[in-house]
Amino acid sequence: GAGVSQSPSNKVTEKGKDVELRCDPISGHTALYWYRQSLGQGLEFLIYFQGNSAPDKSGLPSDRFSAERTGGSVSTLTIQRTQQEDSAVYLCASSLARSSAFFGQGTRLTVV
Amino acid sequence: AQSVTQPDIHITVSEGASLELRCNYSYGATPYLFWYVQSPGQGLQLLLKYFSGDTLVQGIKGFEAEFKRSQSSFNLRKPSVHWSDAAEYFCAVAEGGYSTLTFGKGTMLLVSP
Repeated sequence: GAGVSQSPSNKVTEKGKDVELRCDPISGHTALYWYRQSLGQGLEFLIYFQGNSAPDKSGLPSDRFSAERTGGSVSTLTIQRTQQEDSAVYLCASSLARSSAFFGQGTRLTVV
Repeated sequence: AQSVTQPDIHITVSEGASLELRCNYSYGATPYLFWYVQSPGQGLQLLLKYFSGDTLVQGIKGFEAEFKRSQSSFNLRKPSVHWSDAAEYFCAVAEGGYSTLTFGKGTMLLVSP
């Protein structure tokens, strides 16, 4: 597609369940980023993939969070044993070398 | 560590009036600077960016921003605001074209008739 695609757009889950969020970056973009947007914390970096290099996981808030990127394209962010504080909008972005990041519409996660 | 400050949480501007949104950053070297806009329920749309060169950069939708190294600022401006400009605006800084973004807390722009 023309832009970054994220699915689902909305997800409601029960506390303690695992969730998977998907991101399809712009074709050919080698860099992929996950950010989290919440009322109290604003926009926070979570994880960054660049080509075949090891991902930068420095923003992941706990070991319940993980992400993978298959074939240098699609990425999945997994949150295990979800907690209410995980409720937020999860944004994915992709970019080319030395260019700006383009964002998807986000996945709104609500943990009840 | 780099940081971004947007001192105004909310700003209200009359339609047709000029706009300036403030952004100050903290970073040791020459930063890469960005302004993004977010409408309700939407993702972030890039308005403009500064990497190097001319310190006055033009963006989409009639926006411009000026990089002032001496003031560590990258303020966003528009000469005449339209009702459709009502949204939340985020300033961000990065160490380079491939690095992660550090965002400010955002400024919510309200446009009055």
